[in-house]
Amino acid sequence: AQKVTQAQTEISVVEKEDVTLDCVYETRDTTYYLFWYKQPPSGELVFLIRRNSFDEQNEISGRYSWNFQKSTSSFNFTITASQVVDSAVYFCALKGGSEKLVFGKGTKLTVNP
Amino acid sequence: KAGVTQTPRYLIKTRGQQVTLSCSPISGHRSVSWYQQTPGQGLQFLFEYFSETQRNKGNFPGRFSGRQFSNSRSEMNVSTLELGDSALYLCASSLTPNRGSAEKLFFGSGTQLSVL
Repeated sequence: AQKVTQAQTEISVVEKEDVTLDCVYETRDTTYYLFWYKQPPSGELVFLIRRNSFDEQNEISGRYSWNFQKSTSSFNFTITASQVVDSAVYFCALKGGSEKLVFGKGTKLTVNP
Repeated sequence: KAGVTQTPRYLIKTRGQQVTLSCSPISGHRSVSWYQQTPGQGLQFLFEYFSETQRNKGNFPGRFSGRQFSNSRSEMNVSTLELGDSALYLCASSLTPNRGSAEKLFFGSGTQLSVL
């Protein structure tokens, strides 16, 4: 069975602080894909990044960076110099051989001015 | 380019009734999937359609059904509503559901269903 665990239910930071959102996954598949989505108050989920199981190269995109470590089954997401507009619920998700996208429970990030 | 459109935005029903939700994907997208989001269970996959065929199904009772039309628009239906069906129902579209890969999903804002 596939499972995604986001241990942090809520995180509150002050603007300009760095914040890391944790994601741990479980799968028996050798080929799988990991995702991060952001859900602002408006409701729609917005795609942030996709990684396949063969690509452990970490990525930086502007203020966002991702750390994929297969050895620990983790796919963490860091926001550098957080802004109020980053306030949202962030979901980590996994898609493996079942072709079904499995989401974590989400981490609610609040960035205070 | 218009995004994924879901109608209605809000819906209030009573137990035992049935409901139909609609989703119009991004133009050119042929795959539509549905998700249920509740505070307790989080986001759960309902089903996925491609070319009017159900390609995949989540672990939901038969009261939950869906279909896709030739223009890729999709509807989902819930019959004999229960209180526990109260949730945000999200629709997502993608270009094609390539097996062995993973398309980026584009989500609508959802339909908030309240069952009283």
